[in-house]
Amino acid sequence: GAGVSQSPRYKVAKRGQDVALRCDPISGHVSLFWYQQALGQGPEFLTYFQNEAQLDKSGLPSDRFFAERPEGSVSTLKIQRTQQEDSAVYLCASSLEVMIYEQYFGPGTRLTVT
Amino acid sequence: SQQGEEDPQALSIQEGENATMNCSYKTSINNLQWYRQNSGRGLVHLILIRSNEREKHSGRLRVTLDTSKKSSSLLITASRAADTASYFCATAGATYGGATNKLIFGTGTLLAVQP
Repeated sequence: GAGVSQSPRYKVAKRGQDVALRCDPISGHVSLFWYQQALGQGPEFLTYFQNEAQLDKSGLPSDRFFAERPEGSVSTLKIQRTQQEDSAVYLCASSLEVMIYEQYFGPGTRLTVT
Repeated sequence: SQQGEEDPQALSIQEGENATMNCSYKTSINNLQWYRQNSGRGLVHLILIRSNEREKHSGRLRVTLDTSKKSSSLLITASRAADTASYFCATAGATYGGATNKLIFGTGTLLAVQP
């Protein structure tokens, strides 16, 4: 079946622009996660949804970052007034149930802020 | 912030040799997982070991967990060129009344398997 998909795969933004990154999780997966991965580092947690409820947003680095999952399926991560330090790969992952820990990752969106 | 560190940071071996990677973490965990990442397939889940387990096998993979030392190791036996990738450990934390779902990743080991 289809895995987690993300779009766009690559995004170049000028400093100060707003960007929106989309994630389509595996159909029926309850849990959805966003991670940020800087070059040469492991992914770092940003935020977590259980269905449409955002239960943990402790990893969002600033109030310029906003995520939503209004119908409990597709999710969007929005970054306002992008800064150069926002340049990274943004990974989305989903898992079937709340207590099923294996996560399925999408290919990521590589964001470059110039 | 990263949960812990992995060592070595980079490892180069010949096909057929075994590869061992180590991971240390900082806080109590519910489980520890290993993921592989390469440019072709993104992050892929390899194996999960729960905090009450000490060793687990899956195909050519063997994982150990020592919760007293807060460390884990991943052994890949009879390595192949296709095993070339970055390997990350990731922990799911233990909290009162259940586990948190988010994963906290280590810094990764870059494995190169020479044909």
